[in-house]
Amino acid sequence: EPEVTQTPSHQVTQMGQEVILRCVPISNHLYFYWYRQILGQKVEFLVSFYNNEISEKSEIFDDQFSVERPDGSNFTLKIRSTKLEDSAMYFCASSDSGANQPQHFGDGTRLSIL
Amino acid sequence: DAKTTQPNSMESNEEEPVHLPCNHSTISGTDYIHWYRQLPSQGPEYVIHGLTSNVNNRMASLAIAEDRKSSTLILHRATLRDAAVYYCILRPYRAAGNKLTFGGGTRVLVKP
Repeated sequence: EPEVTQTPSHQVTQMGQEVILRCVPISNHLYFYWYRQILGQKVEFLVSFYNNEISEKSEIFDDQFSVERPDGSNFTLKIRSTKLEDSAMYFCASSDSGANQPQHFGDGTRLSIL
Repeated sequence: DAKTTQPNSMESNEEEPVHLPCNHSTISGTDYIHWYRQLPSQGPEYVIHGLTSNVNNRMASLAIAEDRKSSTLILHRATLRDAAVYYCILRPYRAAGNKLTFGGGTRVLVKP
């Protein structure tokens, strides 16, 4: 069964540095998402992306964050000037077109900011 | 977004059924009821969804109350692999691509 893959599984970065989290969505999916989960807390929506543009974003997704689909297969989340509070699991998801299509999630990247 | 209420945790014995309740008294007519689960150290995984009628798939069954203000996810024979956090999520109808809003979910413990 096709799956969403995320790399790296664990990223350790110094505060203030930029980090790029990478995702390969399921190949025929058209909708892409990033979520995050701070340790012990709920899964939170960050952003959704369709047709090469952001379709929805949350209050968390401020100017520090950006997303890109650089080559038709990868979907990336960039965090500029990381802060301690950015430490979390970041999940990528994708879904097919059509109403109420389920979202398929990767196993996440654990981001640790030191 | 309409809210859901779930118990924080439930325990079950292996090979017995598990009934996970979800209250959603403010559900609107266009909200679908979705269930996802999150196994330890993994991303969320889709389980099932429905609108008004009960639904079955290979993973579970979804029973929806007639007034749609509550629903129950049924795992027919729990296995150790079913130990996870189960999330009941209301998702407004939209053509495609709308977000999921996760609550705290129900942590299911399966005892051998």
